Amino acid sequence: DAGITQSPRYKITETGRQVTLMCHQTWSHSYMFWYRQDLGHGLRLIYYSAAADITDKGEVPDGYVVSRSKTENFPLTLESATRSQTSVYFCASSPTSGGSGTGELFFGEGSRLTVL
Amino acid sequence: AQSVTQLDSQVPVFEEAPVELRCNYSSSVSVYLFWYVQYPNQGLQLLLKYLSGSTLVESINGFEAEFNKSQTSFHLRKPSVHISDTAEYFCAVSPYGGATNKLIFGTGTLLAVQP
Repeated sequence: DAGITQSPRYKITETGRQVTLMCHQTWSHSYMFWYRQDLGHGLRLIYYSAAADITDKGEVPDGYVVSRSKTENFPLTLESATRSQTSVYFCASSPTSGGSGTGELFFGEGSRLTVL
Repeated sequence: AQSVTQLDSQVPVFEEAPVELRCNYSSSVSVYLFWYVQYPNQGLQLLLKYLSGSTLVESINGFEAEFNKSQTSFHLRKPSVHISDTAEYFCAVSPYGGATNKLIFGTGTLLAVQP
């Protein structure tokens, strides 16, 4: 089925380990985003991408790395996980930045990461 | 830069009662405004948006929001809520003419509908 999928949905890791969260969308949307959701902070943008091989930092990029070699995939890597990165991570995609599609992001179901 | 304030972290309400979820924003430029809804264990979904034109916008499930430029507000209302409306609601903004669809979200309001 078409859509946006995230994996894994749940992950427990230890401080210092590398973790990669995967995001795959089947719509061929140009824009993709990674947000983290924390109580009291709402959603905060980590990184976004306007197209393959084009990425840029959001509000809270420190400690994270992204890549986008293909339009449909946008993995998020925590190079050395810390406890402060315990969070729920949401990937989203958007077909366009203007017109009737302005502001319409399509979200995955989230990846809940716990760093011990 | 833009910011969004949702003062109410939780709003309890009885079924069939009216509800208002408050959203205020701050921006030095014109903005687009959005409400997203997150049902338990799911991602966010767009509920409604204001881009231009009529300041009153409606969703397909009975919610409405009114853009008030002088008060920099975009409150969400529903005249009669259902149990199924229980969810977290996020207000969001993006700058007018923005090229990336980057949204700035508020901290969310949990709408808890009780029978």
